[in-house]
Amino acid sequence: GDSVTQMEGPVTLSEEAFLTINCTYTATGYPSLFWYVQYPGEGLQLLLKATKADDKGSNKGFEATYRKETTSFHLEKGSVQVSDSAVYFCALSFFSASKIIFGSGTRLSIRP
Amino acid sequence: GAGVSQTPSNKVTEKGKYVELRCDPISGHTALYWYRQSLGQGPEFLIYFQGTGAADDSGLPNDRFFAVRPEGSVSTLKIQRTERGDSAVYLCASSPSGLTNTGELFFGEGSRLTVL
Repeated sequence: GDSVTQMEGPVTLSEEAFLTINCTYTATGYPSLFWYVQYPGEGLQLLLKATKADDKGSNKGFEATYRKETTSFHLEKGSVQVSDSAVYFCALSFFSASKIIFGSGTRLSIRP
Repeated sequence: GAGVSQTPSNKVTEKGKYVELRCDPISGHTALYWYRQSLGQGPEFLIYFQGTGAADDSGLPNDRFFAVRPEGSVSTLKIQRTERGDSAVYLCASSPSGLTNTGELFFGEGSRLTVL
């Protein structure tokens, strides 16, 4: 079945470091891909998305590119801040379907 | 507030008891979803409502779990004869018209259920 695999955490970085969180997917067809973020004490919220191959989603300095050839959607940020500390979830969906399928999440902690 | 509201935020119960979890979606959102998140895992789909009807309940793990949305707004997730394995955070999400629109879900903060 359709699934998402993302790198295990926790990931701990110093402020201003470069961030990559790996995500790969398995799906029949061409899904839309998402990164959701959960800040402490808050609900999950959409960070960015890409709906077709080679699309780049971006928001708040984060970027991810939909790579069909490697079935990947890695999350990157050039310079992380303490406020980026959160749990990040990679996810996929087909717009004809009724649900989003989530990965297991990666906890990110940024040291000042 | 304008977001998805879930109550209670925490619920501790004993094995075998009945539990109800409530979700109040964003006003005007016709689509409502329930997910379950176990420790260290991502959200796992349970059920999707479009209006008052359950359009997809394929994620409900067994017949102890049931959900309703009688007026197309507030939804209640009901768990009968709770088991320790039901302990998790139950998340509710809504969207304006389902994933066929923007693909974005708006989540509440969740109800943490602990079954002793």
